[in-house]
Amino acid sequence: AQKVTQAQTEISVVEKEDVTLDCVYETRDTTYYLFWYKQPPSGELVFLIRRNSFDEQNEISGRYSWNFQKSTSSFNFTITASQVVDSAVYFCALSEEAGANSKLTFGKGITLSVRP
Amino acid sequence: GAGVSQSPSNKVTEKGKDVELRCDPISGHTALYWYRQSLGQGLEFLIYFQGNSAPDKSGLPSDRFSAERTGGSVSTLTIQRTQQEDSAVYLCASSLASGAHQETQYFGPGTRLLVL
Repeated sequence: AQKVTQAQTEISVVEKEDVTLDCVYETRDTTYYLFWYKQPPSGELVFLIRRNSFDEQNEISGRYSWNFQKSTSSFNFTITASQVVDSAVYFCALSEEAGANSKLTFGKGITLSVRP
Repeated sequence: GAGVSQSPSNKVTEKGKDVELRCDPISGHTALYWYRQSLGQGLEFLIYFQGNSAPDKSGLPSDRFSAERTGGSVSTLTIQRTQQEDSAVYLCASSLASGAHQETQYFGPGTRLLVL
């Protein structure tokens, strides 16, 4: 069965610090998809990134970057020069089925607080 | 364009009453998902629709829960004889359905249900 572990539950940093949010997944499939979502205090889940299992290239988008390592089954998310607006709960999620849409299995989420 | 919308945004009901929660997906999205977010259980999948059919109902917690989708668009999640443990935020998501890979799911703002 698929499983996502976000071992960190709460992280607090001071603005401009870099912070890495860890995500470890378990799956028996060779084809799968990984996602990160952000849930700000307003409550709506905001999509950040989707990555399929065949694409191990790291990705950078502005201050955000993602490190996908199949060897360690990890898909970590780094925020560079954090800002107060980055304060939110961040969820990592996994979808196993290729060739069709299917459910997302979420980790428990990491609450990030960025202090001014 | 318009995102996923859900109504009502908040619902307070008494134990034993039935409730209906509504989801309007993004126009053109044929796949629709219901999830539940509670403090104890995190984000849990409930049911997935492709068009008007539900190929995956594996997450519905009991036979008090049911969902339907009509016209390949609006979906209603019904909870009969509500219990206090049903209190949670019910999230709806929609996605394209390429048939070739897992598409990104976009989430609505949720319905916060409180059962007294």
